[in-house]
Amino acid sequence: QQQVKQSPQSLIVQKGGISIINCAYENTAFDYFPWYQQFPGKGPALLIAIRPDVSEKKEGRFTISFNKSAKQFSLHIMDSQPGDSATYFCAASKRGGSEKLVFGKGTKLTVNP
Amino acid sequence: GAVVSQHPSRVICKSGTSVKIECRSLDFQATTMFWYRQFPKKSLMLMATSNEGSKATYEQGVEKDKFLINHASLTLSTLTVTSAHPEDSSFYICSARAGAGAYGYTFGSGTRLTVV
Repeated sequence: QQQVKQSPQSLIVQKGGISIINCAYENTAFDYFPWYQQFPGKGPALLIAIRPDVSEKKEGRFTISFNKSAKQFSLHIMDSQPGDSATYFCAASKRGGSEKLVFGKGTKLTVNP
Repeated sequence: GAVVSQHPSRVICKSGTSVKIECRSLDFQATTMFWYRQFPKKSLMLMATSNEGSKATYEQGVEKDKFLINHASLTLSTLTVTSAHPEDSSFYICSARAGAGAYGYTFGSGTRLTVV
């Protein structure tokens, strides 16, 4: 049973365009929703994260939109750049040291010059 | 920010030998560490969770005798792949989290293991 569903699996965007990746979760006990960026051969790096007490969080060109009632959250990358080409993972977890981070299956983003 | 150092970044070993991967939290105390395995073009698969000073909790289907995890201190966890075989070749990634009230997870840079 996949607790975090991510779409699309792959995404191709032109330079300067907006990249949008969506995730849906099932467990209402989740209270931490991060997005990770991973380049080939590297570990995931935290891009931006949100907690359910806010509906949107923006950091530079990256924005998370969160819809608690729909149990959905999305990542928007504004003015996408070729350097943004990577695999993006959404995730969710509950607060607490031993709580697992549940990952989506990932989205491979390609930004064409 | 929190930094997790993982070594080695790449290792090639002969079939039947053991390989140890280290994961260190450099600027915080990692109460909990997580070990993942990632297959090409796939998501991260959690192998085990370890709390400092306790035995690791392994996910279903992960052989605890093959993948030995030690978390003896608040800044160091190790994963030892014992009697490695070519099917153990993969990308292994560690992650560390601070105490009970923490939200964030910090990931290491990963280790590419190739068993020949």
